[in-house]
Amino acid sequence: GDSVTQMEGPVTLSEEAFLTINCTYTATGYPSLFWYVQYPGEGLQLLLKATKADDKGSNKGFEATYRKETTSFHLEKGSVQVSDSAVYFCALSDTGNQFYFGTGTSLTVIP
Amino acid sequence: GAGVSQSPSNKVTEKGKDVELRCDPISGHTALYWYRQSLGQGLEFLIYFQGNSAPDKSGLPSDRFSAERTGGSVSTLTIQRTQQEDSAVYLCASSLSGGVNEKLFFGSGTQLSVL
Repeated sequence: GDSVTQMEGPVTLSEEAFLTINCTYTATGYPSLFWYVQYPGEGLQLLLKATKADDKGSNKGFEATYRKETTSFHLEKGSVQVSDSAVYFCALSDTGNQFYFGTGTSLTVIP
Repeated sequence: GAGVSQSPSNKVTEKGKDVELRCDPISGHTALYWYRQSLGQGLEFLIYFQGNSAPDKSGLPSDRFSAERTGGSVSTLTIQRTQQEDSAVYLCASSLSGGVNEKLFFGSGTQLSVL
């Protein structure tokens, strides 16, 4: 069945450091891929998405490229800020009935 | 309302009691999802409603769990004879029409604690 595996946390970085959070997936069809973010005290919200192979999703300085050959959708940001501290979830959907989420990666950025 | 609303935000109950969790999706959204988030776990799919279609109940973990959606809007998740392992955050999300590429809008969740 479909599933998502993402990098274990927690991750602690200094401000302006480079961020990578790994995500790989297993899917029977051709899924759409997503990153959701949960800021402290808030609900999950969509950060970015990609709907087909080689697409790049981007938002707020974050990027992720849909790599079908490696079944990956790694999240990157060149220079993190304290305000990026949150929990990040990788997710996929190939039917719309279900979205499969990873376990979440907690990021803390220290000044 | 502006977003997905869930109530209560916190619920503490005793083992064996029944609980009801409520979700008000964004007006006009036809798709509604329930997920469960346990400590250290990802989001576990529970149930999906889409318009007037029969719900996808494939994620419900046992027959103690049930959900309904009245009038295509408000949804209630009911857990009967609660167990300690039911303690988790229950999340509701909605989307415009349940398409595979659509953005999910999440509520803030109900934190359920079973003592």
